[in-house]
Amino acid sequence: SSELTQGPAVSVALGQTVRITCQGDSLSRYYASWYQKRPGQAPLLVMYPKTNRPSGIPDRFSGSTSGNTASLTITGAQAEDEADYFCASRDTSGNYVVFGGGTKVTVL
Amino acid sequence: VELVESGGGLIQPGGSLRLSCAGSGFLVSSFDMSWVRQAPGKGLEWISVMYSGGDTYFADSVKGRFTISRDQSKNTQFLQMNNLKVEDTAVYFCARRRGGSDWYFDLWGRGTLVTVSS
Repeated sequence: SSELTQGPAVSVALGQTVRITCQGDSLSRYYASWYQKRPGQAPLLVMYPKTNRPSGIPDRFSGSTSGNTASLTITGAQAEDEADYFCASRDTSGNYVVFGGGTKVTVL
Repeated sequence: VELVESGGGLIQPGGSLRLSCAGSGFLVSSFDMSWVRQAPGKGLEWISVMYSGGDTYFADSVKGRFTISRDQSKNTQFLQMNNLKVEDTAVYFCARRRGGSDWYFDLWGRGTLVTVSS
């Protein structure tokens, strides 16, 4: 089965920009989606294929993709953006989903 | 529009548990629905999908032990978990799948905690 690789953690100063990356073979065939996960809360979709923001998600969140790498960028990070972020895509088999290991974003 | 999971609890290894995912504001049976879990301190793990047409697929980690069913009259999907293992301990979320070729989950429940321990 496919795997998606994310860096474990990143920190960003309040108001600055941070980019989270997600790499995997499945991304050369399928686009990624991104989820924000705070402790004790349901995952929240923040970016869906192909780099679209759901209604209600601030425009400081943006997505991009190149080859087998997807990226989520937060431009002007806010304190409330501190959370774990997970990428996901359809598996190369077509009937499964694979999640990245998650990146913990700390806003300083 | 929301999803609400229930049925979690403490269960001994080898035991069984049935989780429910009740939908409101939309028909659960009209969408492909997945279960995703998060073990303590770990990431999200996709474990299953039931297509609107009824076909089901499971991750290798639960294949042969977990099954899915649904009750249209209750607008609810069920995850039957048998032969539970300690490593099945997690918060279990149900999620609505969208997208054609590229999948994503636009609606999630708040989850229900399953603890497998003796």
